Amino acid sequence: DAGVTQSPTHLIKTRGQQVTLRCSPKSGHDTVSWYQQALGQGPQFIFQYYEEEERQRGNFPDRFSGHQFPNYSSELNVNALLLGDSALYLCASRAIGGTYEQYFGPGTRLTVT
Amino acid sequence: GDSVTQMEGPVTLSEEAFLTINCTYTATGYPSLFWYVQYPGEGLQLLLKATKADDKGSNKGFEATYRKETTSFHLEKGSVQVSDSAVYFCALSDGETSGSRLTFGEGTQLTVNP
Repeated sequence: DAGVTQSPTHLIKTRGQQVTLRCSPKSGHDTVSWYQQALGQGPQFIFQYYEEEERQRGNFPDRFSGHQFPNYSSELNVNALLLGDSALYLCASRAIGGTYEQYFGPGTRLTVT
Repeated sequence: GDSVTQMEGPVTLSEEAFLTINCTYTATGYPSLFWYVQYPGEGLQLLLKATKADDKGSNKGFEATYRKETTSFHLEKGSVQVSDSAVYFCALSDGETSGSRLTFGEGTQLTVNP
């Protein structure tokens, strides 16, 4: 049973560029959430997708956008990158109707120079 | 809004010592509570959970009890091992008001020495 997978593992971008991160949820899961984890801090909720729509959003600017595909996989897009966007980006999935526990992927380490 | 407060770290223990990591929360509804663990260079793994008051979550020798009266969910282990060295995060999900989003504490770095 494959868990949550994310790609790429690491990414280096320059300020002002755009980046796309990808996530495939755990088998049987249909809801995907994205979190940003800055170094030495706890993860912060960015947004959640279900049925290809953004259902909830945390306190992040519109530069952060996402998408969910019919196969439940998801993308996180960040435009006009800032140095402060450097972080570990985590994807988590859960099954609607189940408990609220979420399963996390290994993350994508984004470095903005 | 919802919030989670963890004891400040880092915590350094000798092997076989007793571990307690304190966690308190603030939530408007009736949250589910979780402990996640993060090993170096990895994502988060669910360690244990409790979904209602007085529930005890347990896994791999770790335990935590959901205390509504003190709004706490302290993590304990009777005898830690070197392999327990990691960062531990307390989190809540207040399904009543915010769906399944997780609110995390700042994390507690645990180092266990042989």
